[in-house]
Amino acid sequence: EDQVTQSPEALRLQEGESSSLNCSYTVSGLRGLFWYRQDPGKGPEFLFTLYSAGEEKEKERLKATLTKKESFLHITAPKPEDSATYLCAVQGRGGGADGLTFGKGTHLIIQP
Amino acid sequence: GAVVSQHPSWVICKSGTSVKIECRSLDFQATTMFWYRQFPKQSLMLMATSNEGSKATYEQGVEKDKFLINHASLTLSTLTVTSAHPEDSSFYICSAMAPRGAETQYFGPGTRLLVL
Repeated sequence: EDQVTQSPEALRLQEGESSSLNCSYTVSGLRGLFWYRQDPGKGPEFLFTLYSAGEEKEKERLKATLTKKESFLHITAPKPEDSATYLCAVQGRGGGADGLTFGKGTHLIIQP
Repeated sequence: GAVVSQHPSWVICKSGTSVKIECRSLDFQATTMFWYRQFPKQSLMLMATSNEGSKATYEQGVEKDKFLINHASLTLSTLTVTSAHPEDSSFYICSAMAPRGAETQYFGPGTRLLVL
């Protein structure tokens, strides 16, 4: 069974204070690891897909990295508008299923 | 690109009634769509996989007779919650898989269901 654990559950930062969110996973053959942003009462917004260890992707103040056991979402000099819940999900090869297994998310608050 | 819509965004119904939720991929064709459920302060849980032209695949513990899924076209999947009860109140979110080779799922805005 695929499992995803995210830490910390919540993180409060000052504007401009860089940090990293962690996503540890176990999966039977990784097809992809995904990062999404979710605002309250809305559906997840796609950020990144990572396919293999060593891969990195960047978008504005966010950078996602991947190893064989975990992924990090680095946020550099965050702004208040970066406040949201960040979700990590994996898609495995077991059983032919395409559905995603999600972690519980990290609730990020950026204070001005 | 890769926009997914849901309708309605909000629905309140009486216990025992049925509710239909639509999920549409607006700018791409999706042979596979997914339905998730999210309870307050919890993460998304996969309910079922919807394949165009074939029967849906349900996750363990999800009642297929209660949550009816129809994927009638490459841009539309519907979820019908039959004989809804208060415990079915939740946030229902659909996703559509991008065309082959991309793997990424794009999510709709969600439907908030409240059963009284």
